[in-house]
Amino acid sequence: GAGVSQTPSNKVTEKGKYVELRCDPISGHTALYWYRQSLGQGPEFLIYFQGTGAADDSGLPNDRFFAVRPEGSVSTLKIQRTERGDSAVYLCASSLSGLAHNEQFFGPGTRLTVL
Amino acid sequence: AQSVTQLGSHVSVSEGALVLLRCNYSSSVPPYLFWYVQYPNQGLQLLLKYTSAATLVKGINGFEAEFKKSETSFHLTKPSAHMSDAAEYFCAVSDRGTNAGKSTFGDGTTLTVKP
Repeated sequence: GAGVSQTPSNKVTEKGKYVELRCDPISGHTALYWYRQSLGQGPEFLIYFQGTGAADDSGLPNDRFFAVRPEGSVSTLKIQRTERGDSAVYLCASSLSGLAHNEQFFGPGTRLTVL
Repeated sequence: AQSVTQLGSHVSVSEGALVLLRCNYSSSVPPYLFWYVQYPNQGLQLLLKYTSAATLVKGINGFEAEFKKSETSFHLTKPSAHMSDAAEYFCAVSDRGTNAGKSTFGDGTTLTVKP
């Protein structure tokens, strides 16, 4: 079956612009996670959805970052007024449920470059 | 707060030699522990996980890890390295409690295998 997909694979934008990053989880997975991976570092948690609701958004760095999952499947991470420091690979993962021991299946990521 | 420390950002071994990648965690209660592998231009893939059953966990591709509570460690080993093992490896921890679903990752260890 299909894995987690993310679009676009690469996004180059200018400082101050708005961007949207999309994640298609594995069908039937109720939990969805967004992480950010900067060069030389491990993935950093941003937000976790259980169904349509954000169960934990404690990792969002500031109010320029927002994510939605309106139908409990596809999710969009939205970044307003982008800054150069937002440049990173944004990873999406899904799991069968939100239980901590469940395996998370990762997408290939979206590489965001803010000029 | 949980944290993960991976000692050694780069490890180089010869083909056929033992692989040892170190991971230490900090958590108030024994957490769930994971090792992921990331090949170039691919998403993270689960190698193995510890969920409080056997302390010695066997994973894919001949890898295994041992949970040692007294040392708060979860080191990854493989008896004989293959060229195809060259990749980046991440240790991660998830809380069994209220923050279920949220993983904290180490900064990764890049494994190089020399012929």
